[in-house]
Amino acid sequence: AQKVTQAQTEISVVEKEDVTLDCVYETRDTTYYLFWYKQPPSGELVFLIRRNSFDEQNEISGRYSWNFQKSTSSFNFTITASQVVDSAVYFCALSEIYGQNFVFGPGTRLSVLP
Amino acid sequence: EAGVAQSPRYKIIEKRQSVAFWCNPISGHATLYWYQQILGQGPKLLIQFQNNGVVDDSQLPKDRFSAERLKGVDSTLKIQPAKLEDSAVYLCASSLEASGRISDTQYFGPGTRLTVL
Repeated sequence: AQKVTQAQTEISVVEKEDVTLDCVYETRDTTYYLFWYKQPPSGELVFLIRRNSFDEQNEISGRYSWNFQKSTSSFNFTITASQVVDSAVYFCALSEIYGQNFVFGPGTRLSVLP
Repeated sequence: EAGVAQSPRYKIIEKRQSVAFWCNPISGHATLYWYQQILGQGPKLLIQFQNNGVVDDSQLPKDRFSAERLKGVDSTLKIQPAKLEDSAVYLCASSLEASGRISDTQYFGPGTRLTVL
């Protein structure tokens, strides 16, 4: 069975600090997709990234970066120079590529204080 | 481009009453999903449509929940009768790809927050 663990329930940082959100997953599949979504107070889930398990290259998009390590089943997300607008709940998710299993982690609530 | 629209945004009902939620996906998106998000948890998939056909409804409590997507565009999710444990946010999402795979990138609406008293 697939499972996603986000051990950090809540994190608070001061603006301009860097912060890393952890994601550890379990799956028996050799190929799968990993996702990160942001859920601001408005409630809408905002897509951030989708990563195929074949591609272990780290990715950077502006202040966001993702570190995918298949050996440790982790897909961590780092926000550099955090801003108040980054305050939200962040979800890591895992899906089969050809099946229909799609599971979200419990989320990490990030509060960025001015 | 307009996003996924959902209504109502909030709904309060008493247990054993019925309720319906509406979703309009992004124009041209073939696949539509309904999720249930209980407070403090990640979303859980209830049902997935590709056009107007059901791809997966294995986690839909069919004794009380039903969903339809007539004409392959808008969709409604109904609960009848509601229970206290149905209190949650109901999220609708859509994806452009016609593959119908759950791994396709999904775009979410703002959700409907249901409170059952």
